Amino acid sequence: LAKTTQPISMDSYEGQEVNITCSHNNIATNDYITWYQQFPSQGPRFIIQGYKTKVTNEVASLFIPADRKSSTLSLPRVSLSDTAVYYCLVESGNTGKLIFGQGTTLQVKP
Amino acid sequence: DVKVTQSSRYLVKRTGEKVFLECVQDMDHENMFWYRQDPGLGLRLIYFSYDVKMKEKGDIPEGYSVSREKKERFSLILESASTNQTSMYLCASIRSLNTEAFFGQGTRLTVV
Repeated sequence: LAKTTQPISMDSYEGQEVNITCSHNNIATNDYITWYQQFPSQGPRFIIQGYKTKVTNEVASLFIPADRKSSTLSLPRVSLSDTAVYYCLVESGNTGKLIFGQGTTLQVKP
Repeated sequence: DVKVTQSSRYLVKRTGEKVFLECVQDMDHENMFWYRQDPGLGLRLIYFSYDVKMKEKGDIPEGYSVSREKKERFSLILESASTNQTSMYLCASIRSLNTEAFFGQGTRLTVV
């Protein structure tokens, strides 16, 4: 199962674009990359998922280079309410497991 | 609106008690998961189930068991609760891998 590595914490200011990068060097051919957001005292919530190149939805963009060994979650113009923990997952159908890492704690300051 | 419901938001139990944490989903999902979350350790997978009566160990199954008698319900059992099992417990379900996972609101268990 592909292991993911992401920064433990990041700081930003309101209105800035935030990019969180995740490394997954041993990603397999059939693995997808998924990002979740978690607020205190709540369960994680799905943000975005992709396989290659770029995916965009109303909340975020996900950039995946050709070798797929990393991915970058981009949050445009963050606000205080984007303060949360962000998890990168690499999912594989081979094991059935859904493994979360430690996540990145994003602190948005006014 | 899709929903994963955990039976309790907060629970206090005594050391040695048998504890049941219940999780119900209304989305007809095949796969269900139990995690515990502790400060600085992220979410760690305890057990998961891909079908009724099927279960697989996650990364930290010791001291826990699970039951899945019906598709919509996945129970986590602490056979003899200990203080090191004080934690936030989260249940999740997904239709299949590479689809969106839905989480319950969590159960904060304190063992005294």
